[in-house]
This record gives sequence, C-alpha cells and structure tokens, in this order.
Amino acid sequence: TQLLEQSPQFLSIQEGENLTVYCNSSSVFSSLQWYRQEPGEGPVLLVTVVTGGEVKKLKRLTFQFGDARKDSSLHITAAQPGDTGLYLCAGVYAGGTSYGKLTFGQGTILTVHP
Amino acid sequence: EAQVTQNPRYLITVTGKKLTVTCSQNMNHEYMSWYRQDPGLGLRQIYYSMNVEVTDKGDVPEGYKVSRKEKRNFPLILESPSPNQTSLYFCASSLLGGSGNTIYFGEGSWLTVV
Repeated sequence: TQLLEQSPQFLSIQEGENLTVYCNSSSVFSSLQWYRQEPGEGPVLLVTVVTGGEVKKLKRLTFQFGDARKDSSLHITAAQPGDTGLYLCAGVYAGGTSYGKLTFGQGTILTVHP
Repeated sequence: EAQVTQNPRYLITVTGKKLTVTCSQNMNHEYMSWYRQDPGLGLRQIYYSMNVEVTDKGDVPEGYKVSRKEKRNFPLILESPSPNQTSLYFCASSLLGGSGNTIYFGEGSWLTVV
C-alpha cells in the first residue's frame, strides 16, 4: 500500500504567523492536489500541481511540488483565523494500476488564533 | 449549481441492519467514488466507478457494496453494518479519474453503528 505522509497533524498558531505543511512519499506522483475542509463540509480543491519543481500561488498560500515529484508543501504567509481548517494533500501515483485513484494524506488540522 | 448530494447526512443504526447511503451528482461526471474519513487516517477510498456498470474496489472495500446503474447515482450499501463502520462518509465525482481533474465532494454522511 502506498503511503502519503502529511505533517504536522496539528498546528496551532497566532494570527500573522507563517506556517508550512508537508506531504511526503517514497513513490512518484503524476499529480498532487491540496484540499481544505471545514467542519460539516466535504473537502474543497485548492490547487493541483503536476510538474516537478512547480510553484503555485493562491493569495497568501504557496504550493510547491518537489523536483522528483515525491513531495509537496503548502506555505501560508501571515495566517488569519479564516485559514482555520483541515488541510489535506492527495496524490495520484505514477504508474498506478488504478486509473486516477487519489491517495490522501492524514490531514493537518490548522487553528489560527486571533 | 454543480452538486454532489448525499443522503442521509446523519444516521444512527444498529449492528446488522442493512442501510444504503445515496449519492447523486448533476454534472454528468463519469467517475464517482466513496471515501470514509477517520481521525488520523485521512480519507480512504472504499469503492470507485469509472462509468455505468463499471465499479472497482478501493483501499477499504470490506463490508461495503456499490452499484452504478445510472450515471448520476452511486449508492453505498452496508449489508450488515458493524461498529467499526462508524465513520464520516464522502461521495465524490469528477469528469475523469483524479489526475489533474477537479473532484467534487458531497457534504458527508455521519454514520454511527451501535
């Protein structure tokens, strides 16, 4: 079973601080996605990265895909209470037998205190 | 409005009593899947379907059944629920399998088996 390790599992910070969430695997991804989930709702897609070394920005969020396509990170600058939620990475492994199957990391629960 | 609709949203049932969680999408998507979400484990795929009458097992299919008789519907069936199936369940759909495509999630169904 392929594993996607996400860290940290819990993050509690003050408004204005920066933070980084990591997603790692020993296998190569063909693509990787980041989701945000709020209580009582399903995950909502934030970004998809497909090229090794790719960097995408979404306002204060920066997503990076590792050169070898085995890892990814999400960096939030000047976090705000509205960023509070569960962040999930999910990848499609290259060469997988299940077409398009997403494997999810364990998730990072982020709490930003005012 | 693009939607994935699950029902029921909340259910408490007893061990062994068959139940069905319905899922319907209005986006004419080929690919549909079911996940369960448990603390510390992220989302794990139960079953997926690439089109009508085409279904396959995900990572944790034991104790579950699915059917795909129509493109828009993908019900999840628990023939004889057990307490270890207490979880939060999500239905999801996308145009094709996950790589590079936006996956739309339903709002989730909280299931408790006592």
